[in-house]
Amino acid sequence: GQQLNQSPQSMFIQEGEDVSMNCTSSSIFNTWLWYKQDPGEGPVLLIALYKAGELTSNGRLTAQFGITRKDSFLNISASIPSDVGIYFCAGLSSGSARQLTFGSGTQLTVLP
Amino acid sequence: DGGITQSPKYLFRKEGQNVTLSCEQNLNHDAMYWYRQDPGQGLRLIYYSQIVNDFQKGDIAEGYSVSREKKESFPLTVTSAQKNPTAFYLCASSIGGSSYEQYFGPGTRLTVT
Repeated sequence: GQQLNQSPQSMFIQEGEDVSMNCTSSSIFNTWLWYKQDPGEGPVLLIALYKAGELTSNGRLTAQFGITRKDSFLNISASIPSDVGIYFCAGLSSGSARQLTFGSGTQLTVLP
Repeated sequence: DGGITQSPKYLFRKEGQNVTLSCEQNLNHDAMYWYRQDPGQGLRLIYYSQIVNDFQKGDIAEGYSVSREKKESFPLTVTSAQKNPTAFYLCASSIGGSSYEQYFGPGTRLTVT
């Protein structure tokens, strides 16, 4: 099936710092979604992107749909302790019959 | 409150037993999905259903079965044929049509010994 390469695998940052993570694919995707998962809970949808080049914000979070349609980026500005968790990208490629492909996640730790 | 519920949160079974995980949604969503999550990994699709009385296999359907008799409900049965059933199971739903945004339940952690 489709594969998404999500990086970095883990990040340790100081409170107040900005964070950037990305997902790349060898295939073209039509939709990119970003989720956050707290330990032992289900993922929560943060941002949905539907158009190449689209830049969308949700509070301190900003995500971009790459112009090549093969990548997406998520930035978190001025991190706070509650940003801790695992961030997943998910993409929908053409011909995938509504099946999302998920990245393996970025584990974010925010140090006080 | 609209949402997706999964029960129970934790489930323990002996090897060789079938077990059914519950997933209910009151969002009036057409599509429902079951994923499996293993430590340090992304989500892998087990089964999905785009409409009542219809469902399709995902990437790792072997050893699992589902039914979709009601729009609100999509139970997953983990059978004894599933070789490595211990995992975190997540149910999701989406409105269907042109929307691909999936919303997840809280998950069920299944431990088989």
